[in-house]
Amino acid sequence: QKEVEQDPGPLSVPEGAIVSLNCTYSNSAFQYFMWYRQYSRKGPELLMYTYSSGNKEDGRFTAQVDKSSKYISLFIRDSQPSDSATYLCAMSVQGSARQLTFGSGTQLTVLP
Amino acid sequence: AAGVIQSPRHLIKEKRETATLKCYPIPRHDTVYWYQQGPGQDPQFLISFYEKMQSDKGSIPDRFSAQQFSDYHSELNMSSLELGDSALYFCASSFSSSSYEQYFGPGTRLTVT
Repeated sequence: QKEVEQDPGPLSVPEGAIVSLNCTYSNSAFQYFMWYRQYSRKGPELLMYTYSSGNKEDGRFTAQVDKSSKYISLFIRDSQPSDSATYLCAMSVQGSARQLTFGSGTQLTVLP
Repeated sequence: AAGVIQSPRHLIKEKRETATLKCYPIPRHDTVYWYQQGPGQDPQFLISFYEKMQSDKGSIPDRFSAQQFSDYHSELNMSSLELGDSALYFCASSFSSSSYEQYFGPGTRLTVT
């Protein structure tokens, strides 16, 4: 079983919808949580970065971390066709090891 | 803003050949990471360097080696290539060894035939 599980989708929503993307994990040592957006044939682009539990908001994006449930979420408000991409969650433990462990990605399509 | 630069963007090699991938981090970033992303797979961490020293090692095959140079660019050397090495290879960089914000390059697509 993978350390990080992510619903692969695909997920298709109408423009303006609220999108919820989720990941669960098994390694309780994860302390740093990231969300990346990856367009086809491009490198992952860092969207949000949070430490430990709590919420973080950046424009239309909100990241939530619930360490007690080992569950993280990314919410996208007022979704746009330009948000269509694959969204990857990623996590890292505290300390010198900064390697990221990724989820398998959720493919999102926002229909105009 | 300057981003991570990777070269070449595409590379085709035959089995048992060697390949060298290059990565130029964002200016002032001193830490470089290499990831391998197979078709339909999530990126898998290979190796990282901080201040020209190897800082962490993941699932990198013994056939692969890497180093970081004095100008902070990094090279991933791959020998005895196998069909299974066909993948997207991403380089990421961050500022200081304590930063968890990694910024990825566009990747090098390696095809082994």
